[in-house]
Amino acid sequence: DQQVKQNSPSLSVQEGRISILNCDYTNSMFDYFLWYKKYPAEGPTFLISISSIKDKNEDGRFTVFLNKSAKHLSLHIVPSQPGDSAVYFCAASAPSNSGYALNFGKGTSLLVTP
Amino acid sequence: GAGVSQSPRYKVTKRGQDVTLRCDPISSHATLYWYQQALGQGPEFLTYFNYEAQPDKSGLPSDRFSAERPEGSISTLTIQRTEQRDSAMYRCASSQLGTQETQYFGPGTRLLVL
Repeated sequence: DQQVKQNSPSLSVQEGRISILNCDYTNSMFDYFLWYKKYPAEGPTFLISISSIKDKNEDGRFTVFLNKSAKHLSLHIVPSQPGDSAVYFCAASAPSNSGYALNFGKGTSLLVTP
Repeated sequence: GAGVSQSPRYKVTKRGQDVTLRCDPISSHATLYWYQQALGQGPEFLTYFNYEAQPDKSGLPSDRFSAERPEGSISTLTIQRTEQRDSAMYRCASSQLGTQETQYFGPGTRLLVL
């Protein structure tokens, strides 16, 4: 069963506008959330994370929002740039027998057009 | 090393053959994870190591899959008697020990079983 869901397989945004990528999760034990960015033929690259004790974390153009009651998080990219075009994976973890193994969504492919 | 490396990058094998995949983590990282990623999906947990200890193998799909990390650094994932359903991207990630530290991924090994 998919515990982390990214329901939008793709998203297209104009350069300079805001990109909003969404992620939902079902496991209330998750307490750490990450976004990874992936270019073709490369491994996922860490982008930004948030602990469940916070509801917002910002790093430059990237902001992650966490709504624990709704079990929802989102990644905002402002302003979007063509170099942001990539697949974005949402991931979550909780302390378990599997260490801090990440549970991933299926990814959202973002295209930023000039 | 500067980042996580994996070899080979691509492996084509015939059904029934054994394959061994290698992961070289970031040198200061005690924890190493193996993930399997099917096309169009996010990575899924296979197993992990803290140094040379392997606390959890629950994600390994069958007893044909095994992993080692004998000296607590380089790890190998071996698939015996490969089957077509084993075709996937195999990803390795490493992190610092013990806490919910960010996992850093290698480029992956694309395995194709004919």
